[in-house]
Amino acid sequence: AQSVTQLGSHVSVSEGALVLLRCNYSSSVPPYLFWYVQYPNQGLQLLLKYTSAATLVKGINGFEAEFKKSETSFHLTKPSAHMSDAAEYFCAVSHSGGYNKLIFGAGTRLAVHP
Amino acid sequence: DTGVSQDPRHKITKRGQNVTFRCDPISEHNRLYWYRQTLGQGPEFLTYFQNEAQLEKSRLLSDRFSAERPKGSFSTLEIQRTEQGDSAMYLCASSQDYNEQFFGPGTRLTVL
Repeated sequence: AQSVTQLGSHVSVSEGALVLLRCNYSSSVPPYLFWYVQYPNQGLQLLLKYTSAATLVKGINGFEAEFKKSETSFHLTKPSAHMSDAAEYFCAVSHSGGYNKLIFGAGTRLAVHP
Repeated sequence: DTGVSQDPRHKITKRGQNVTFRCDPISEHNRLYWYRQTLGQGPEFLTYFQNEAQLEKSRLLSDRFSAERPKGSFSTLEIQRTEQGDSAMYLCASSQDYNEQFFGPGTRLTVL
């Protein structure tokens, strides 16, 4: 079985500060890992994905994430937060060997204040 | 715009009524997924289709729920005898084989 745990349901940062959103996964098989962003009343947009290639993955809007197998983690970072980054972020895992049904974490709401 | 579309965007219904939602995937995508998202939670997988074949259903999909994808194009999700616990955002996504899933804007269901 696969699962995802996102530590911290709410994270608040100042504009220009480092953004760190935490994600730990559990998977009995090599996983594919994803970060999605959801703005109010909108669907989910893919930020980045890990599919067993490079462990440091760069995504859109300046976000990146590092796959650490030893820590079963896939934390999302951005060096400098913008006001427009305020949204809900979801980490997800899927089975790499078959179809890509996604298992999501509960989400982290990011607030960015001036 | 050729993204995933869902209709309606909002639906308010009374308990016990039936509702049907529609999802139009990106035209060349052969896979279509339904997820449900309740307040404060991440999306939960409900079911998925490859072309017209429904290949997996979550245990969350009780016998009051049915999904179809006739001719492998659009899909419908029907909920019969709605309950207040069915209130949620229903998300549709599509992909070409194992590639990235593109999500629609969702249908928000409120059961009174």
